[in-house]
Amino acid sequence: DVVVTQTPLSLSVTPGQPASISCKSTQSLLHRDGKTYLHWFLQRPGQTPQLLIFEVSSRFSGVPDRFSGSGSGTDFTLKISRVEAEDVGIYYCLQGIHLPITFGQGTRLEIK
Amino acid sequence: EVQLVESGGALVQPGGSLRLSCAASAFSFSNSWMHWVRQAPGKGLVWVSTINTDGTTTRYVDSVKGRFTISRDNVKNTVYLQMNSLGVEDTALYYCARDRGWHAFHVWGQGTMVTVSS
Repeated sequence: DVVVTQTPLSLSVTPGQPASISCKSTQSLLHRDGKTYLHWFLQRPGQTPQLLIFEVSSRFSGVPDRFSGSGSGTDFTLKISRVEAEDVGIYYCLQGIHLPITFGQGTRLEIK
Repeated sequence: EVQLVESGGALVQPGGSLRLSCAASAFSFSNSWMHWVRQAPGKGLVWVSTINTDGTTTRYVDSVKGRFTISRDNVKNTVYLQMNSLGVEDTALYYCARDRGWHAFHVWGQGTMVTVSS
């Protein structure tokens, strides 16, 4: 199975400061179609998960532009340029190309 | 409004069975691959199963293969998860999800809770 490892597992950020989460997979997520199927989700406390970023760097509809994704192959990063209180929750990356589909362990973001 | 509504979760004894349902509305269900994702209490997200548009292709995580069966009814706009031989490790909130391609799950239901306990 493709293992997806997120770091850090938790971070505490002052509002207005940036945050960064790393996601590494044990196999390349580049498909022969040229696209890379790595996605990011946020699960706010007590809520269902929501899609933030798909295919490494495309923001889903309604996602603020302070969220950005980057990376290639096996190494990916989610960045929040200026953290806001509503960004609290658990962030998950997911590899969508190799069966079984696997999520990272999750990164808990809290506000200082 | 695009919506997924799960039902069927319950308390069941080890070894028992349960069928989850997920009713879809306000989108082209018959053209959508559908999925089940679960989350054990206090734990992370785990992909469970996927079904293609006409039900001819199904996929499962190894831990449920041979015990769970995903199916769909494109007339009723509903996807199902038949769960047999349930174990305590299957205790979780089960989400139904639709993807925009390659498991980018962009629509989620609210989840239905399955508790396996004696």
